[in-house]
Amino acid sequence: DAGVIQSPRHEVTEMGQEVTLRCKPISGHNSLFWYRQTMMRGLELLIYFNNNVPIDDSGMPEDRFSAKMPNASFSTLKIQPSEPRDSAVYFCASSAGLTNEKLFFGSGTQLSVL
Amino acid sequence: GESVGLHLPTLSVQEGDNSIINCAYSNSASDYFIWYKQESGKGPQFIIDIRSNMDKRQGQRVTVLLNKTVKHLSLQIAATQPGDSAVYFCAEGAGNNRKLIWGLGTSLAVNP
Repeated sequence: DAGVIQSPRHEVTEMGQEVTLRCKPISGHNSLFWYRQTMMRGLELLIYFNNNVPIDDSGMPEDRFSAKMPNASFSTLKIQPSEPRDSAVYFCASSAGLTNEKLFFGSGTQLSVL
Repeated sequence: GESVGLHLPTLSVQEGDNSIINCAYSNSASDYFIWYKQESGKGPQFIIDIRSNMDKRQGQRVTVLLNKTVKHLSLQIAATQPGDSAVYFCAEGAGNNRKLIWGLGTSLAVNP
């Protein structure tokens, strides 16, 4: 298995632009997670899905952030409009079960908002 | 061990020595604990986990120890190798979905 696949690997955009991050989880996994990592705050869970249904989005910073999972093999995290404080590494992870145990992470998207 | 702040605590060891990375967790109701390794430019990678009904669990070259009395978790790496250089995160979970609370990480540097 190729593991969790994220794209793009790097994204540089200007403040106010829309940003879309993409994720393909491991085939057969039932849960998908979006995390954000910064030096100041470490790893923060933004949202997670079980069987394509959003379960907990309490970590989504504000209405500018939205996430979708239209099917079991694809998810997007969208930021509109983007702001410089959104600059971070965004990770997608998946797990076989319905809990947060044993997550498999992708390589992340390094987002820079200028 | 784990700490809050801009600078990650750093553990520096000689190649071949054993490493011990410590973590203090906060929630006495946590019943699941997990260690991840993150190399530069990569996502966190699962190392080992342990449930609260155990106090020790061993993997390949790694051992996790859990002391619930003092809410302390440690990761021991035997015969540390240069490839072990990374940031190590502990995380605790509780409840049915095991929602994780992550530490800020400890940087391990292995000197040849």
